Amino acid sequence: DAGVIQSPRHEVTEMGQEVTLRCKPISGHNSLFWYRQTMMRGLELLIYFNNNVPIDDSGMPEDRFSAKMPNASFSTLKIQPSEPRDSAVYFCASSPRASGKETQYFGPGTRLLVL
Amino acid sequence: QKEVEQNSGPLSVPEGAIASLNCTYSDRGSQSFFWYRQYSGKSPELIMFIYSNGDKEDGRFTAQLNKASQYVSLLIRDSQPSDSATYLCAVGGGSEKLVFGKGTKLTVNP
Repeated sequence: DAGVIQSPRHEVTEMGQEVTLRCKPISGHNSLFWYRQTMMRGLELLIYFNNNVPIDDSGMPEDRFSAKMPNASFSTLKIQPSEPRDSAVYFCASSPRASGKETQYFGPGTRLLVL
Repeated sequence: QKEVEQNSGPLSVPEGAIASLNCTYSDRGSQSFFWYRQYSGKSPELIMFIYSNGDKEDGRFTAQLNKASQYVSLLIRDSQPSDSATYLCAVGGGSEKLVFGKGTKLTVNP
């Protein structure tokens, strides 16, 4: 079975540009999570969805960040406008249960560099 | 703020030794506990989960949970150089989401 798929795997952009990260969860999974990982702050939950509905977005840093899940097989995380401090690895994860605290399976991540 | 604390390491052990990784958590109502392994430049990979007090063994890995002490550990027996990675502890509590520790970097020396 295919795991969580993320695209692009690498993204280099200039400050002020819009960035869109994409995620396809494991088929049949009911929860989807967006994380950001940096050396300083570790792995931080940005937002998660249960059955395509956003449940907790308290980790979204500010209004520049937005996430959508239009259907069970696709989600996007958008940053507009991007800033250098947004440089990080962004992971998408999915879980078979409609719960935020059960086993999660991570995608390969998107390495974002904002110049 | 619910916290999960891990010693950042690095923890260095010789090949064949037992590596002991520790994690403490602040939310006394936590119910689910996970250990993830993350190789450099890769994504976190689930190793084990544990829900009940006591030990849970899977091959060379043993997870230990003590809810009274709010402490969870991971033991790796017969450590191999391929076990060299960062190990992340994650805890699921009343906030209905996993909180991750910052990880312990393990190095197994041949």
